[in-house]
Amino acid sequence: QKEVEQDPGPLSVPEGAIVSLNCTYSNSAFQYFMWYRQYSRKGPELLMYTYSSGNKEDGRFTAQVDKSSKYISLFIRDSQPSDSATYLCAIFSGSARQLTFGSGTQLTVLP
Amino acid sequence: KAGVTQTPRYLIKTRGQQVTLSCSPISGHRSVSWYQQTPGQGLQFLFEYFSETQRNKGNFPGRFSGRQFSNSRSEMNVSTLELGDSALYLCASSFPGTSAEDTQYFGPGTRLTVL
Repeated sequence: QKEVEQDPGPLSVPEGAIVSLNCTYSNSAFQYFMWYRQYSRKGPELLMYTYSSGNKEDGRFTAQVDKSSKYISLFIRDSQPSDSATYLCAIFSGSARQLTFGSGTQLTVLP
Repeated sequence: KAGVTQTPRYLIKTRGQQVTLSCSPISGHRSVSWYQQTPGQGLQFLFEYFSETQRNKGNFPGRFSGRQFSNSRSEMNVSTLELGDSALYLCASSFPGTSAEDTQYFGPGTRLTVL
């Protein structure tokens, strides 16, 4: 079993839809929960991170963590065609100083 | 502020050859991490360097190695290339802390194709 499992997709939604992207993880020692966005032929860019259970909002993006069920989500409101990319959840272990990534979900927002 | 730069962007090699990839971190960043990205395995951690020392290593064979220079620039080397080494190799730089505030910023990657 992988340490981080991500809903594989691909996901295709109409413009303006609410998108939900989900991951589960297995190691309770994981400390920080991140979401990266990766456009084609580019490196991943950090969207958001959080370290506690609950919600964290940044514009149209909301990251949600439930440590009791080891579940993390990213919600995108009012999705735009420019949001079309691969979204990667990642968990950062401070002691190991490494990011463990989910497999990524490819999102397409249709105009 | 300039981002992480990686050279070359694309590389084609044949089996058995060796390759060296280069990464220049963001100015002021002293930690450099390397990742391999493939369609089958996704993004996997290779190793991390800080102050010219390898501080952490992922689960890759010894054919994968790296080093860091005093100016924090880093190189990774893959010897005796195999077809399965074809991948996007990503470099990420950060401050050397242990919290997510010292977040990792990725370069565009080097696309390596092994024929």
